[in-house]
Amino acid sequence: AQKITQTQPGMFVQEKEAVTLDCTYDTSDQSYGLFWYKQPSSGEMIFLIYQGSYDEQNATEGRYSLNFQKARKSANLVISASQLGDSAMYFCAMRECCSGAGSYQLTFGKGTKLSVIP
Amino acid sequence: GAGVSQSPSNKVTEKGKDVELRCDPISGHTALYWYRQRLGQGLEFLIYFQGNSAPDKSGLPSDRFSAERTGESVSTLTIQRTQQEDSAVYLCASSRKAGRVTHFSSYNEQFFGPGTRLTVL
Repeated sequence: AQKITQTQPGMFVQEKEAVTLDCTYDTSDQSYGLFWYKQPSSGEMIFLIYQGSYDEQNATEGRYSLNFQKARKSANLVISASQLGDSAMYFCAMRECCSGAGSYQLTFGKGTKLSVIP
Repeated sequence: GAGVSQSPSNKVTEKGKDVELRCDPISGHTALYWYRQRLGQGLEFLIYFQGNSAPDKSGLPSDRFSAERTGESVSTLTIQRTQQEDSAVYLCASSRKAGRVTHFSSYNEQFFGPGTRLTVL
């Protein structure tokens, strides 16, 4: 089973509108972290936002917020007031407490391509 | 300050040749990761280094892949006898410390380099 599922291969949003990118995850750990990264066409991975599993409040970073629903195991990214520069691939990732040999590597979803329309 | 750097940015090689990819992590970052990203896909974990501990090689796809890191500095990913399916972008990331997930922070954030695009003809 996939650990991170992003069901939207592509999304379109009108400039200045809000958009939600879906992410569900699968883990048996109690302590884990969820990340969202942005990857523009240039290829670099840009960290956007982080949510710890014990965090009671949803994370927010400027126009980015994370809608964390622990019971549903979902961590959707909400981008408010979309800008043309937001057009990119968006990846959801999870870092589990004690996976494998304890390397704490990130497990990524397949990504969602967001296109912002003027 | 300087971010994670990788070299070369692009590498084209012939099937069967060996290649070496280099990663310079952010100074002071003890944890270093290598990932592979195939075209249109997410990132796949390859290998992890933490200080002087034994690396976690659980993500390496075959014994043709190996990596080294000296202390907390530069790392080299080597692919021997390259195959066409090795064509991908190889991304390196570093973080301050790999440890138990903490609360209310992005302490665990991994900073990524620009990647090396490998094309095997």
